[in-house]
Amino acid sequence: DIQMTQSPASLSASLGETVTIECRASEDIYNGLAWYQQKPGKSPQLLIYNANSLHTGVPSRFSGSGSGTQYSLKINSLQSEDVASYFCQQYYDYPYTFGAGTKLELK
Amino acid sequence: EVQLVESGGGLVQPGRSLKLSCLASGFTFSNYGMNWIRQAPGKGLEWVASISSSSSYIYYADTVKGRFTISRDNAKNTLYLQMTSLRSEDTALYYCARPAYNNYRWFAYWGQGTLVTVSS
Repeated sequence: DIQMTQSPASLSASLGETVTIECRASEDIYNGLAWYQQKPGKSPQLLIYNANSLHTGVPSRFSGSGSGTQYSLKINSLQSEDVASYFCQQYYDYPYTFGAGTKLELK
Repeated sequence: EVQLVESGGGLVQPGRSLKLSCLASGFTFSNYGMNWIRQAPGKGLEWVASISSSSSYIYYADTVKGRFTISRDNAKNTLYLQMTSLRSEDTALYYCARPAYNNYRWFAYWGQGTLVTVSS
């Protein structure tokens, strides 16, 4: 199985700041990576797919990058509504696997 | 509007069975592969199972293989998850999810989830 190592586990940032969350796969996943945002008590929402494609309706301050085994999610100009947990998911191969998540809070 | 509504969760004793349903609306259900994903309380996401649009291809996580069965009834626009030999570690919120397009592997639409609690 492909293991997804996500970091950091938690993150505290100020409004307007730029934050970056990383995911490392245990093997090459050929950009088969998605990022999700989950607010407390809500279902996850898709942000990014194919490592760097923005899902419809997602603000452009979110961006994804990476290749091979290393991927990242960047949030520019942090807004209060971005407080949430973020998860990466590889779908290059079954079983699909998720990172453990990053909890983003406001400083 | 795409809607996925899960049901069938509840409190069940270890070793017993439970069947979850996910009623889909707002799209042609028979055109899409579907998925179950779960989230233990306060924990991360775990993919559980996937089924193709015609049920020809089915995949399971190792943690549920042999105990859970994913199925679908395209005439009823409904996805199912039959869970047997339930364990305490199966306690979770179970989501059904749909990709943006058929054969795509990321989850663009999620239901609100149904809670399964396995406890004596």
